[in-house]
Amino acid sequence: DAGVIQSPRHEVTEMGQEVTLRCKPISGHNSLFWYRQTMMRGLELLIYFNNNVPIDDSGMPEDRFSAKMPNASFSTLKIQPSEPRDSAVYFCASSLRGSGRGQNIQYFGAGTRLSVL
Amino acid sequence: TQLLEQSPQFLSIQEGENLTVYCNSSSVFSSLQWYRQEPGEGPVLLVTVVTGGEVKKLKRLTFQFGDARKDSSLHITAAQPGDTGLYLCAGSNTGKLIFGQGTTLQVKP
Repeated sequence: DAGVIQSPRHEVTEMGQEVTLRCKPISGHNSLFWYRQTMMRGLELLIYFNNNVPIDDSGMPEDRFSAKMPNASFSTLKIQPSEPRDSAVYFCASSLRGSGRGQNIQYFGAGTRLSVL
Repeated sequence: TQLLEQSPQFLSIQEGENLTVYCNSSSVFSSLQWYRQEPGEGPVLLVTVVTGGEVKKLKRLTFQFGDARKDSSLHITAAQPGDTGLYLCAGSNTGKLIFGQGTTLQVKP
C-alpha cells in the first residue's frame, strides 16, 4: 500500500487566497483525521471523519477553515481566505477504527507545508 | 480539556548515553501511543500501551504505561545518532488522539 498520500507537499500563497489541501487515505481505512503542526502549538487535531461523516470539528480554528470527505478515498481541507497565521504543516492521517482499546492506530501522510505570505 | 505534557521538550546527548522522556496527564486514557517524527515526514507509530503498568520493549526502547493509565515514559538505552527525532506521546479515548507537545532528541556522535 502506498500509505496516506497528501498533495501538494509545499504550498506558498498570498494572504487572502484560497488554499485547498488534499488527502487520499489508506484503502480500507474508515477514519480520517486532519492535523496542523506548528512549533508553538505542536500537533493539533482539526477535524476527523468516520465513514466519511464529520464527527468532531471542534479543533477547526474558525469559519475560514472547512473540510469535506465526499467518498472513502478522498478528503480536502480548504482555507478561504488564507492568513499568514495559517502557515504550518498540515497532516492527514487515516486509521481502521476497531472496538477494542489500542486499535486506534493512525497512519500519517508526509504533510503539506503551507506558507501564507 | 484533556492535556498531555511531555518533558523535557529538548534533549541533546552524546551517543551511548541513556535517556528518559515523560508524558503526564491528569486524565485517564484507554490507551497511549508513542510516535517518532523525522524532519519532513509525518509521525510514525512506535508502540501502543493499553494496560495500566504495562511495559513494552522495542530493541533499545522501553515504554511504560502508568498504573492509573494517566502517564507514560519512554527510556532509550545507549542512544544512537539514528534515534534523533521528535518523539510524541498521544492519548486515546473517544476515537481521537490527544498529542503531547513532543520531545526533540538530538544524539551527537
